[in-house]
Amino acid sequence: RKEVEQDPGPFNVPEGATVAFNCTYSNSASQSFFWYRQDCRKEPKLLMSVYSSGNEDGRFTAQLNRASQYISLLIRDSKLSDSATYLCVVNSPTANTGFQKLVFGTGTRLLVSP
Amino acid sequence: DTAVSQTPKYLVTQMGNDKSIKCEQNLGHDTMYWYKQDSKKFLKIMFSYNNKELIINETVPNRFSPKSPDKAHLNLHINSLELGDSAVYFCASSQVWGNLQETQYFGPGTRLLVL
Repeated sequence: RKEVEQDPGPFNVPEGATVAFNCTYSNSASQSFFWYRQDCRKEPKLLMSVYSSGNEDGRFTAQLNRASQYISLLIRDSKLSDSATYLCVVNSPTANTGFQKLVFGTGTRLLVSP
Repeated sequence: DTAVSQTPKYLVTQMGNDKSIKCEQNLGHDTMYWYKQDSKKFLKIMFSYNNKELIINETVPNRFSPKSPDKAHLNLHINSLELGDSAVYFCASSQVWGNLQETQYFGPGTRLLVL
């Protein structure tokens, strides 16, 4: 089982739609959670961190459910420029050392059409 | 521009060759990383260095040897290239090791194709 699992999509939505992505993680020792965005043939960039209390940044809302080991991202009023791959990222201890490392999901592809 | 930069951007080479990828960050960060993103877009950490010292080595074959001459540079040398090494290699950096909320900043990637 992958440590971070996401639906690969693609999610095809019209402009203005609301879309939600989900992610599950398997390592209960994971302590930090993020959503990164990766445009086609570009590098990943941090979209937002995810906090237990839930957090919002403009049209983007992230939620974390530690009991269910589940993370979500909600995008309201989708724009054409939101088309990208959204990577669920978990900061987990490495085996044997205890050092933390980022573990990436394979991403969910979003296509927003006019 | 403040950024993480990598060279070369594209690398096409034959099996069995040895090649290097260079990475530099001018963000003043202490920690640098190498990631591999395969054809299925799965991004996986390979190495992490903190202040020139190796912190994480994710069971990468010995053919891959990172070198950090100073904390602003982390290079990756690959010996005896194999077809399976074809991927996009991303360098990244973060300010401080051990801060669980630390943002990682990625370079533009090096697209390696082994023929």
